[in-house]
Amino acid sequence: NAGVTQTPKFRVLKTGQSMTLLCAQDMNHEYMYWYRQDPGMGLRLIHYSVGEGTTAKGEVPDGYNVSRLKKQNFLLGLESAAPSQTSVYFCASRSSGNTIYFGEGSWLTVV
Amino acid sequence: AQSVTQPDIHITVSEGASLELRCNYSYGATPYLFWYVQSPGQGLQLLLKYFSGDTLVQGIKGFEAEFKRSQSSFNLRKPSVHWSDAAEYFCAVGSFGNEKLTFGTGTRLTIIP
Repeated sequence: NAGVTQTPKFRVLKTGQSMTLLCAQDMNHEYMYWYRQDPGMGLRLIHYSVGEGTTAKGEVPDGYNVSRLKKQNFLLGLESAAPSQTSVYFCASRSSGNTIYFGEGSWLTVV
Repeated sequence: AQSVTQPDIHITVSEGASLELRCNYSYGATPYLFWYVQSPGQGLQLLLKYFSGDTLVQGIKGFEAEFKRSQSSFNLRKPSVHWSDAAEYFCAVGSFGNEKLTFGTGTRLTIIP
């Protein structure tokens, strides 16, 4: 029972590079989320999706894009990475009972 | 807009002592509330949740939380902490019909022998 899986777990990028974080869930959940976690700021919502083919902005969407082409996958893209995007990124999905399940996180450093 | 406040950034408790972590929320509709725990380098694990009904909620690892609507609070308690409880704890609020869950900034718990 994999739950929510994020790849990669660790990545170092140079400023200006692009990358994609992949989130996969095997629970058939409609809702999926991308959060970032920074010291002293808790988790902040970047983007979310309420179903296949849909996306919406969260609190801190600037500099990120997302896609939900398949129900089980939610991709987070950084087109031109900046040092301010150094963070830990968490993907999550929500059950029909409104419980949110998190992945184990992706540590991204932009130098 | 919904918001969550965890007023204690860091709490230190002796092993075996009781624990209470505070959480206050602001939301116009009927909220549903969560407590999550995060160990270093790990993701978030659900401790307990409140949607409706009995205002005292039991969770995993011996934790409980009480929803007090009049105080807009959802404090987490444990009668006797163990060294393995050292972690960061997050309170979160959402509501039915709202897709987004809002998190507090977290409380880091340190356990001393």
